[in-house]
Amino acid sequence: AQSVTQPDIHITVSEGASLELRCNYSYGATPYLFWYVQSPGQGLQLLLKYFSGDTLVQGIKGFEAEFKRSQSSFNLRKPSVHWSDAAEYFCAVVNTNAGKSTFGDGTTLTVKP
Amino acid sequence: DTGVSQDPRHKITKRGQNVTFRCDPISEHNRLYWYRQTLGQGPEFLTYFQNEAQLEKSRLLSDRFSAERPKGSFSTLEIQRTEQGDSAMYLCASSLSGATDTQYFGPGTRLTVL
Repeated sequence: AQSVTQPDIHITVSEGASLELRCNYSYGATPYLFWYVQSPGQGLQLLLKYFSGDTLVQGIKGFEAEFKRSQSSFNLRKPSVHWSDAAEYFCAVVNTNAGKSTFGDGTTLTVKP
Repeated sequence: DTGVSQDPRHKITKRGQNVTFRCDPISEHNRLYWYRQTLGQGPEFLTYFQNEAQLEKSRLLSDRFSAERPKGSFSTLEIQRTEQGDSAMYLCASSLSGATDTQYFGPGTRLTVL
């Protein structure tokens, strides 16, 4: 069965500091991985996705993520956080047969001024 | 705006009542998914459609829940005899046609059962 673990429930960083959000997955085949962001009262917005190829993927809003098969990880990074990045972030793995996504429980990001 | 839309955005109901939610996917998208999200958790898969065919249902979807997509366009999710445990955000997503196509999410319907 597929699963996603986001070890950090809550992270606080100062504006301008770098950010890394962790994601570990379990999936029997080559994973299709996604990062989404959810602001209060909003739906999920896709930040980036990994299917194959280059293991470092670029997304919107200056985010990037690196796929590491040996560590079953897909960590999200941003070199300099902005106050508007405060939100909840979800990592997900997609079942390539059915398309249903399995999400982690999310990491809430707080940005200090 | 041609994104995924959901109606209503909020629903408050009393325990035991029936509720129905609607999802309108992006127009050319053949796949439609329903997820449920409770506080502090990530979305959990409920069911999905390929055109009008419902192809998979989660064990989370008890017999009080039913979903339809009669003409392969919009979808409805009905909950009969609501319970307080049904209180959650119900999210709809759509994608083009393949299992790995990007899913685009709607804003969700927040259900509160009193």
